Amino acid sequence: GIQVEQSPPDLILQEGANSTLRCNFSDSVNNLQWFHQNPWGQLINLFYIPSGTKQNGRLSATTVATERYSLLYISSSQTTDSGVYFCAVDTDAGNNRKLIWGLGTSLAVNP
Amino acid sequence: ETGVTQSPTHLIKTRGQQVTLRCSSQSGHNTVSWYQQALGQGPQFIFQYYREEENGRGNFPPRFSGLQFPNYSSELNVNALELDDSALYLCASSLRSGGMGNEQFFGPGTRLTVL
Repeated sequence: GIQVEQSPPDLILQEGANSTLRCNFSDSVNNLQWFHQNPWGQLINLFYIPSGTKQNGRLSATTVATERYSLLYISSSQTTDSGVYFCAVDTDAGNNRKLIWGLGTSLAVNP
Repeated sequence: ETGVTQSPTHLIKTRGQQVTLRCSSQSGHNTVSWYQQALGQGPQFIFQYYREEENGRGNFPPRFSGLQFPNYSSELNVNALELDDSALYLCASSLRSGGMGNEQFFGPGTRLTVL
């Protein structure tokens, strides 16, 4: 089955720093989503991005489907950005739209 | 627009017991997926329901079962609980349309502890 790899696994930043998180996937996908999981476990949708580039405030994402990777950019990081960032891909499995997840990048932003 | 809700938020059970977790999908959505997330791992797909029928299943034994109701809400049932079933159980709703991928939105999860 499809493999999803995220890097780096852990990241520590000082408030105000920028960062880039990467997601590689091993096969073609219908869609890709980025999530932020807060310390209480809630998954927050960041981007639904099968291809191209999107921006939302300090966050932006780019997916290059032909090269099977996606990047999440966080600029001017804040302590509230801390948590785990997941990339999940939607496989081309007919009508079964299940998400296959990476292991996440654990981000800690220090004041 | 009402988001995805789950109940209960926390639950403690003992080995061998049975548990039912509930999920109300987001308004306008017709598909519910269930995921299990162990500590330090990404979520793992359990199964998906569309129009009250199971529409795909991950590598979980038959003691994991589910239902979807006419209002698109859903239940996850786990029989004969094992210690390894301790995890965060996440419900996601989406609107299935056409042949393309559909964005999934998650509830806050139910944290199950099996003693």
